[in-house]
Amino acid sequence: QKEVEQNSGPLSVPEGAIASLNCTYSDRGSQSFFWYRQYSGKSPELIMSIYSNGDKEDGRFTAQLNKASQYVSLLIRDSQPSDSATYLCAATLQGAQKLVFGQGTRLTINP
Amino acid sequence: NAGVMQNPRHLVRRRGQEARLRCSPMKGHSHVYWYRQLPEEGLKFMVYLQKENIIDESGMPKERFSAEFPKEGPSILRIQQVVRGDSAAYFCASSPNPGHLGYTFGSGTRLTVV
Repeated sequence: QKEVEQNSGPLSVPEGAIASLNCTYSDRGSQSFFWYRQYSGKSPELIMSIYSNGDKEDGRFTAQLNKASQYVSLLIRDSQPSDSATYLCAATLQGAQKLVFGQGTRLTINP
Repeated sequence: NAGVMQNPRHLVRRRGQEARLRCSPMKGHSHVYWYRQLPEEGLKFMVYLQKENIIDESGMPKERFSAEFPKEGPSILRIQQVVRGDSAAYFCASSPNPGHLGYTFGSGTRLTVV
């Protein structure tokens, strides 16, 4: 079982709709979770972090964490073509000072 | 306030040559992390260093790869006798302390082995 798993997609969403990206993790000791956005040929860019159960909102982005289900999600409201990218979910492992990444979900927003 | 600086941006090496990748952390950051991204794959942790110390090298291949972060100067990821399978993007990130893991990545070095 992979430590962090994402549906690789591609996920296609019409412009203006809500894009929903999902991620599961295997280590119950994981405490911190992050979403990165990566445009083709570029480096990953941190867009959200979440540490507690529930929702965290930042502009059009909402991160959701459910530690009991070991599930993290990212919602993007009012999707724009500029949101088209690969989204990487990352989690810390208990006792380790590093991030473990999922394989990423490729998102395409269709005008 | 400059971000994490990596150079070179692109590096082409023939099989059997050595590759040296450099990473200068953000000002005031003394913790450096190296990740590798193979084509169409996610980021894989390689090594975590503090100044003059390797803290976690659990993701480093056992042979040909080494990393250092000297007291002065950038962190260096060194790959000896490169093979085609080493072709990847190598990203470096830095943080001010070990608990600060939402780190910022540099622009990466794209290594191509021909």
